[in-house]
Amino acid sequence: DGGITQSPKYLFRKEGQNVTLSCEQNLNHDAMYWYRQDPGQGLRLIYYSQIVNDFQKGDIAEGYSVSREKKESFPLTVTSAQKNPTAFYLCASSMMPSGYRETQYFGPGTRLLVL
Amino acid sequence: ILNVEQSPQSLHVQEGDSTNFTCSFPSSNFYALHWYRWETAKSPEALFVMTLNGDEKKKGRISATLNTKEGYSYLYIKGSQPEDSATYLCAFQTGANNLFFGTGTRLTVIP
Repeated sequence: DGGITQSPKYLFRKEGQNVTLSCEQNLNHDAMYWYRQDPGQGLRLIYYSQIVNDFQKGDIAEGYSVSREKKESFPLTVTSAQKNPTAFYLCASSMMPSGYRETQYFGPGTRLLVL
Repeated sequence: ILNVEQSPQSLHVQEGDSTNFTCSFPSSNFYALHWYRWETAKSPEALFVMTLNGDEKKKGRISATLNTKEGYSYLYIKGSQPEDSATYLCAFQTGANNLFFGTGTRLTVIP
């Protein structure tokens, strides 16, 4: 089955700790994205990557970091600099990079909670 | 960050009723308008990508229209069924990769 997997489903972070959210896709898509959802708000873009070894900041990148060493993987690290990390995180991918009206395909999400 | 508004925030309809909801977006720098359906505990699922003013798209009992000049899109569901219960998201695309999402309309279909 082709799709996007995210792990873990729930993640708990202690104060001052960095945590990494996993996102893997086997759709052979070039572009990948990370979004954050907070109650009462639309999905907001954290980072995106159009190609391996390249990524761009989205609207709310502060306190987050990413890497794109393989086409199928785009992990997101929530650093201790992110003061309000409690949220639902969605990973997505699309076949083509920028400039195309491409559908984005989403994973099931990871809920991050702060202890 | 652009303002994309969806209304109503939530609604309840009886099985068999038809319903519609609205997505409002800026009328400038339009590139595409995306609709997604998001069922509880599942991944958001793409419904439509709309690109031209006057576009109408249909998928089964769900259809959508687009007016880029006035900045709105309507999503219609004909003969609602309990399995249509979900949150419906719209996302405005200005170009490049960025999608700006609305907060969604949460639909509950009562059997």
